[in-house]
Amino acid sequence: GAVVSQHPSWVICKSGTSVKIECRSLDFQATTMFWYRQFPKQSLMLMATSNEGSKATYEQGVEKDKFLINHASLTLSTLTVTSAHPEDSSFYICSAQRENEQFFGPGTRLTVL
Amino acid sequence: GESVGLHLPTLSVQEGDNSIINCAYSNSASDYFIWYKQESGKGPQFIIDIRSNMDKRQGQRVTVLLNKTVKHLSLQIAATQPGDSAVYFCAETFTGGFKTIFGAGTRLFVKA
Repeated sequence: GAVVSQHPSWVICKSGTSVKIECRSLDFQATTMFWYRQFPKQSLMLMATSNEGSKATYEQGVEKDKFLINHASLTLSTLTVTSAHPEDSSFYICSAQRENEQFFGPGTRLTVL
Repeated sequence: GESVGLHLPTLSVQEGDNSIINCAYSNSASDYFIWYKQESGKGPQFIIDIRSNMDKRQGQRVTVLLNKTVKHLSLQIAATQPGDSAVYFCAETFTGGFKTIFGAGTRLFVKA
């Protein structure tokens, strides 16, 4: 149990377009999900905490108008990278919380041309 | 700000040897620590955890040690195998659903 999926697993887009990444908890409900970004050879950096039915909490330095987070149901959170630029190219990873544990998705590789 | 850091960015070991990966944390309020393994292009995979009221916890081939006096965490892997090659992250968090802070990571290479 406790499986988290992400879709798509990879995406390539043109600069200036928007990209939506989905995070789903497949076999449990998660009131809280987290979004991370990971650049090559670096650690995971928390971007925001996504709470079902309320606004996301963003970490310092993360633009909330650029990285739109929606947690409309107990099994789905979405991250939309708006007006993507090459510097947004990264590995985006979500996690879903069940009780006191976090379960991570497989990640989404975003490449902005 | 507070962060979790690692002493060694890379570690190379011979297959069959034991591996020790170290981590230093700075937030004395953290009460829950986790080690994750991340293979290339994948999300982090839970290995083992330990709460602040413990000094040691053992799993299958892995042991985590916590020294709260010097704010140090270590992961020991016994009889390291090629499949253990990956990047290992320590992470700290707080019970009650607070966010998790990841350390810088150590890449483990296992030589056959």
